[in-house]
Amino acid sequence: AQKITQTQPGMFVQEKEAVTLDCTYDTSDQSYGLFWYKQPSSGEMIFLIYQGSYDEQNATEGRYSLNFQKARKSANLVISASQLGDSAMYFCAMREPRVGNNRKLIWGLGTSLAVNP
Amino acid sequence: NAGVTQTPKFQVLKTGQSMTLQCAQDMNHNSMYWYRQDPGMGLRLIYYSASEGTTDKGEVPNGYNVSRLNKREFSLRLESAAPSQTSVYFCASSEEGGSSQPQHFGDGTRLSIL
Repeated sequence: AQKITQTQPGMFVQEKEAVTLDCTYDTSDQSYGLFWYKQPSSGEMIFLIYQGSYDEQNATEGRYSLNFQKARKSANLVISASQLGDSAMYFCAMREPRVGNNRKLIWGLGTSLAVNP
Repeated sequence: NAGVTQTPKFQVLKTGQSMTLQCAQDMNHNSMYWYRQDPGMGLRLIYYSASEGTTDKGEVPNGYNVSRLNKREFSLRLESAAPSQTSVYFCASSEEGGSSQPQHFGDGTRLSIL
């Protein structure tokens, strides 16, 4: 069965440093997508970055990049030059194979990141 | 640019009361979802709707019903609220047709059942 594992319940990083949040996944499908979301203390879920299983390049969006290692089934989020506003919960999710007209997301339990000044 | 709008933002109910959580999206998305989020348990899918007129159970559907009123609106109903349904509820929507489309979330409804 498809599964997402985020092994770091909590992380700390100094402001302006880079941080890597781990995500490993388990799937037997060849076609899948991986997503990262941010949830600040205010509660909203914010989409950050997407990586497709067939993408040859690692995805990047501003200060966010995804270290995609397909053979190891890992999709780690890298945040460069951390800012105080990066303090939040971060969720990794995987798109299930198509079932009918729908592709549901499978979610990890999240990593809480605290950025220290 | 409203995106996904959920109402209400907060609600307190007594055990046994009923209520409907409303969700509307203005992005012309086909798929809509209802999740609940509890501490330490991540996001759990309650129900989803792949298109107008269709609904399917997710991981934790017991105690809930849904209605896909039209393409824009997807409501979640608690017929007889229980304390175990105290949670934060999120509605989301997405475009389908490719695996790269993210789900877009509303701001959530914080529901407490006494």
